[in-house]
Amino acid sequence: SAVISQKPSRDICQRGTSLTIQCQVDSQVTMMFWYRQQPGQSLTLIATANQGSEATYESGFVIDKFPISRPNLTFSTLTVSNMSPEDSSIYLCSAARGPEDQPQHFGDGTRLSIL
Amino acid sequence: GESVGLHLPTLSVQEGDNSIINCAYSNSASDYFIWYKQESGKGPQFIIDIRSNMDKRQGQRVTVLLNKTVKHLSLQIAATQPGDSAVYFCAERGGEGGKLIFGQGTELSVKP
Repeated sequence: SAVISQKPSRDICQRGTSLTIQCQVDSQVTMMFWYRQQPGQSLTLIATANQGSEATYESGFVIDKFPISRPNLTFSTLTVSNMSPEDSSIYLCSAARGPEDQPQHFGDGTRLSIL
Repeated sequence: GESVGLHLPTLSVQEGDNSIINCAYSNSASDYFIWYKQESGKGPQFIIDIRSNMDKRQGQRVTVLLNKTVKHLSLQIAATQPGDSAVYFCAERGGEGGKLIFGQGTELSVKP
């Protein structure tokens, strides 16, 4: 299974600033995804990171707030822009070799607190 | 949309007993299902998966049962150990592009 590393593992940020989270996979994967998990809750998909094209966002998430890059088959970034306390959450990256070759494997997440 | 509520359902079992964690899924067209285990401070860890053309699949100490008639999925853990204490999530693949939809999660607590 793919090993997924996220950086940073946690951060405390001031409101109005932006933070970029990095996700590195140890092998080439077709699919990469970004999720948000609020404390004590389940995972919600933010977007699918598409290699070489714009990310596909889920309802309620927009590119201006959560720009995503996917420059190659092993790396993606998620930026949380103009942060507010409501953005305090765990952000998780996952990867799968293809839609038919599940399962998705996850990184350990980035724990983000906004003051 | 995002799940609401701050309290996960909790299952408390005695060490050595069998555990059964249940999940109701939403989309009758979902063709693939996964169980994940999430320990505190970590990301979800894959446990076992099952495709919709199967009713049962067994792994090491774990069994997943799928009942498509009532859209129900269960995870059975045999001889539950303290290390099994975690939050367990089911997920279904019902959308395009391999997207997963996660259930609300169940917190398993194992008493020694």
